[in-house]
Amino acid sequence: GAVVSQHPSWVICKSGTSVKIECRSLDFQATTMFWYRQFPKQSLMLMATSNEGSKATYEQGVEKDKFLINHASLTLSTLTVTSAHPEDSSFYICSADTGTSIRREQYFGPGTRLTVT
Amino acid sequence: QKEVEQDPGPLSVPEGAIVSLNCTYSNSAFQYFMWYRQYSRKGPELLMYTYSSGNKEDGRFTAQVDKSSKYISLFIRDSQPSDSATYLCATELSSRGYNKLIFGAGTRLAVHP
Repeated sequence: GAVVSQHPSWVICKSGTSVKIECRSLDFQATTMFWYRQFPKQSLMLMATSNEGSKATYEQGVEKDKFLINHASLTLSTLTVTSAHPEDSSFYICSADTGTSIRREQYFGPGTRLTVT
Repeated sequence: QKEVEQDPGPLSVPEGAIVSLNCTYSNSAFQYFMWYRQYSRKGPELLMYTYSSGNKEDGRFTAQVDKSSKYISLFIRDSQPSDSATYLCATELSSRGYNKLIFGAGTRLAVHP
């Protein structure tokens, strides 16, 4: 159980275009989803936290107008990278919080590799 | 000072060796400590978590937390080539009703036959 999927798994786009990444919890409802960015050989850095039906909370230094997050349902959150630039090229990973009363754990998606040319 | 420090390695060991992976953390308020395994170009998967100080064992893996020294460890016994991956330690900070994970840099482990 606790499977999280991401789509697409990789995407190449031209500078100045926008890219949407989907994150889905397949077998559970996730009231909270998280978006991370991981540069090569570096650790995961939390970008933002999204709660179903409310605005996302962004970490310091993350541009909310550039990284648009929508958490429209309990199983789907989307990250849109607007006006992408080569420096936005990275591995984007989402996770979903199971929100159980016993122990709250985050399960991660397989990641989306974004390359901006 | 980073909240969680982890030597990025790489660490290369022969098959069958005992592997020791370590992290230190700075905030004594941290209570939960996790170890994630991440294969290349994949998302992290939770291996184990421990609460406060003590040991936790799961098969060939043992997680250890020493809160007095703010030191967390993961031991892998009888290491296998399939254990080759990046291992990330993490702790969590409760904020605004959710648990924010704070990761170490990750240690790349290679187990060679």
